[in-house]
Amino acid sequence: RKEVEQDPGPFNVPEGATVAFNCTYSNSASQSFFWYRQDCRKEPKLLMSVYSSGNEDGRFTAQLNRASQYISLLIRDSKLSDSATYLCVVNDRGSTLGRLYFGRGTQLTVWP
Amino acid sequence: DAGITQSPRHKVTETGTPVTLRCHQTENHRYMYWYRQDPGHGLRLIHYSYGVKDTDKGEVSDGYSVSRSKTEDFLLTLESATSSQTSVYFCAISEIVRKGGSLEQYFGPGTRLTVT
Repeated sequence: RKEVEQDPGPFNVPEGATVAFNCTYSNSASQSFFWYRQDCRKEPKLLMSVYSSGNEDGRFTAQLNRASQYISLLIRDSKLSDSATYLCVVNDRGSTLGRLYFGRGTQLTVWP
Repeated sequence: DAGITQSPRHKVTETGTPVTLRCHQTENHRYMYWYRQDPGHGLRLIHYSYGVKDTDKGEVSDGYSVSRSKTEDFLLTLESATSSQTSVYFCAISEIVRKGGSLEQYFGPGTRLTVT
């Protein structure tokens, strides 16, 4: 069983649309959760951390459901520049050495 | 952007040759990681380091070795490259903030390695 599972997509949405990505994780003891963004042929970049109470950063909202071991990312008012692959990331709670597990990513294309 | 560089950025080599990839950071972060990224697999951890001369294996360490003689440099060596090691290699750094539990990793630009 993979540590982190994501719907690979692709998601193709028009500009201005709202789109949501989901991910599930297997380690119930995980404590840190993140969304990363990766543009084609570039390195992953941290988009936002995910906190227990949920958090928002501009058009992006992240939610965590510990009971269901489920993380979500909502993007409102999609822009062309949001086209990228979004990686769900969870820490390895059994390790004190900062190991992270990455989902395979969900591909988003925003069209004009 | 975090001060992380990787060299070389692109390399083509032949099967059986040794290859060394370098990751250099200017952030003085304690933790460094090597990943490979392949279609259908996402990012997979090869080796990581939690201090100078302190390293450990990740999930796909076979065929790879690492060394860290200075805080700022983490080297990944393919002792005898094989075609299955054709991949994009990313280095990452992290500074764990224990109280806050922050574990974000920041990535270098990557090295595209082709083994023919």
